[in-house]
Amino acid sequence: DAGVIQSPRHEVTEMGQEVTLRCKPISGHNSLFWYRQTMMRGLELLIYFNNNVPIDDSGMPEDRFSAKMPNASFSTLKIQPSEPRDSAVYFCASSPREGSPQYFGPGTRLLVL
Amino acid sequence: AQSVTQPDIHITVSEGASLELRCNYSYGATPYLFWYVQSPGQGLQLLLKYFSGDTLVQGIKGFEAEFKRSQSSFNLRKPSVHWSDAAEYFCAVGFSGGSNYKLTFGKGTLLTVNP
Repeated sequence: DAGVIQSPRHEVTEMGQEVTLRCKPISGHNSLFWYRQTMMRGLELLIYFNNNVPIDDSGMPEDRFSAKMPNASFSTLKIQPSEPRDSAVYFCASSPREGSPQYFGPGTRLLVL
Repeated sequence: AQSVTQPDIHITVSEGASLELRCNYSYGATPYLFWYVQSPGQGLQLLLKYFSGDTLVQGIKGFEAEFKRSQSSFNLRKPSVHWSDAAEYFCAVGFSGGSNYKLTFGKGTLLTVNP
């Protein structure tokens, strides 16, 4: 199994630009999670999907952030417009069922100048 | 609300010494418990998990953890630490019911290994 795949691995952009992060979960996993990790705030859950449906987006910081999961094998996290405080590592994780571990991708390191 | 506490932000041990990283959770139900490790610049890798049954669970890389219900703890141990174990360690807790796939993560313990 290829594991969770994220792209790009690194992204450098300027303030105000749109950023799109991509994730391919492990095949057969029903749930997908987006996290943000910073030194100051640690690991934060932004949103999670179950069977492609957003279940909990209470962690999404503000309207500039949006996430979609059009099918079971693909999800995007979009930031528009981006701000320097969005600089962080963004992780995608997937899980096969309730109570199972989450399996993390390698992350996307985002720097907004 | 459920919470996970890792009391030690940073621990330093000598190579070959034993290690114990602490994790406490708060919630009334029976939890699912996990330990993850994150090396610099990497994602989180699952070390071990507890769902039910034997309260002492074995994981990868020679790690083990013990679930103690009376203490609401799930401490991670290793009898002899290797320099390659230097990383950040996260405890995570999940709870059953209502198709709840969410995990609550602790803030992590950074492990430094001295030669």
